[in-house]
Amino acid sequence: DSGVTQTPKHLITATGQRVTLRCSPRSGDLSVYWYQQSLDQGLQFLIQYYNGEERAKGNILERFSAQQFPDLHSELNLSSLELGDSALYFCASSPQVTDTQYFGPGTRLTVL
Amino acid sequence: AQRVTQPEKLLSVFKGAPVELKCNYSYSGSPELFWYVQYSRQRLQLLLRHISRESIKGFTADLNKGETSFHLKKPFAQEEDSAMYYCALLYGNNRLAFGKGNQVVVIP
Repeated sequence: DSGVTQTPKHLITATGQRVTLRCSPRSGDLSVYWYQQSLDQGLQFLIQYYNGEERAKGNILERFSAQQFPDLHSELNLSSLELGDSALYFCASSPQVTDTQYFGPGTRLTVL
Repeated sequence: AQRVTQPEKLLSVFKGAPVELKCNYSYSGSPELFWYVQYSRQRLQLLLRHISRESIKGFTADLNKGETSFHLKKPFAQEEDSAMYYCALLYGNNRLAFGKGNQVVVIP
């Protein structure tokens, strides 16, 4: 499968902890996007990277950070976790910054 | 600020009946609209985008700038159309703003 992949599929952790979500874009895609899907807020854009550099920021909390590595995979780091951070986190990728975005299967984070 | 509104959370239709999912947007720039679909246990996937002006799986959507709408329509619903549908607006630097989504249930 050469589509967007995300690991892990599920993550259960406790409040105050820190987790890292990983995303591998489609082969050849340079741009990576992170979205959060929660019951009350719906799907919200968090952050975008293009070829290793941050391109755009959305509703991303200061406790969250991300980066894109030279091999183009990306990681989303969530720290000092709160109950309200429980959500589905999607990664998407596109060839360039203005192309159609293709989504990964998501990581379901549960904070207890 | 950009905003996408999908007023109905759940839509139940009988197989063979028409289905219409409403989407309204507010955006100060030139809008580019999409419909994404998420079938059960599958990832979000692009259904169609307004600039393509194409029909995918029998679905069509027309951008109406006067009414700031991008409603999704299909004349005859099929059971395999049961899914979550999200309307999305592209804004600044290729970011997507999504509506809350419509759960469509097609009753056999």
